[in-house]
Amino acid sequence: EAQVTQNPRYLITVTGKKLTVTCSQNMNHEYMSWYRQDPGLGLRQIYYSMNVEVTDKGDVPEGYKVSRKEKRNFPLILESPSPNQTSLYFCASSPQSTRFNSPLHFGNGTRLTVT
Amino acid sequence: AQSVTQLDSHVSVSEGTPVLLRCNYSSSYSPSLFWYVQHPNKGLQLLLKYTSAATLVKGINGFEAEFKKSETSFHLTKPSAHMSDAAEYFCVVSDMYPGGTASKLTFGTGTRLQVTL
Repeated sequence: EAQVTQNPRYLITVTGKKLTVTCSQNMNHEYMSWYRQDPGLGLRQIYYSMNVEVTDKGDVPEGYKVSRKEKRNFPLILESPSPNQTSLYFCASSPQSTRFNSPLHFGNGTRLTVT
Repeated sequence: AQSVTQLDSHVSVSEGTPVLLRCNYSSSYSPSLFWYVQHPNKGLQLLLKYTSAATLVKGINGFEAEFKKSETSFHLTKPSAHMSDAAEYFCVVSDMYPGGTASKLTFGTGTRLQVTL
């Protein structure tokens, strides 16, 4: 089944404890992206990647890192999480990075709480 | 710069009545526009998309949207609401990053649709 898989679904952590949220897609998509969803703000892009070893900042990249060593994986790293990073995170992928004529495929989300 | 405004944060309709979710956009170029739906505890799913072909776009589950360039609008409609339509809906505009190397998606803030008996 074609899908984007995020893990974990729920994560509670403490300030400053490094964490990684994994994202994997099995559709051979070039484009992958991370979003955070906060009430009243919609989805805001954190980082995106147009292909292997190509990553770039989105609208809200501060406090996050990503890597794209393989086409299928795009982990999101929080080196020193803070309470303002408490949010619902989504990974998404698409076959192409231009014009988005193909839809984004989303994972089911990771709800992160930082205390 | 592109932007998208969803005019209602919350819409409540009775089952069997029409649904209208409003979306206005701004874009420097000829944009692509999308509606996504998010059911509780799920990721977003594409409902429909406009990519410069027919201005009236039909999507899944009986939804449709009309692209009106003169009004910069892309409102989502459905003739008859069903209980299963209760969800959050996002209007999304796709435009090019500066330099034209890749597309950028901008999401609206969402409209929560409530369907009552």
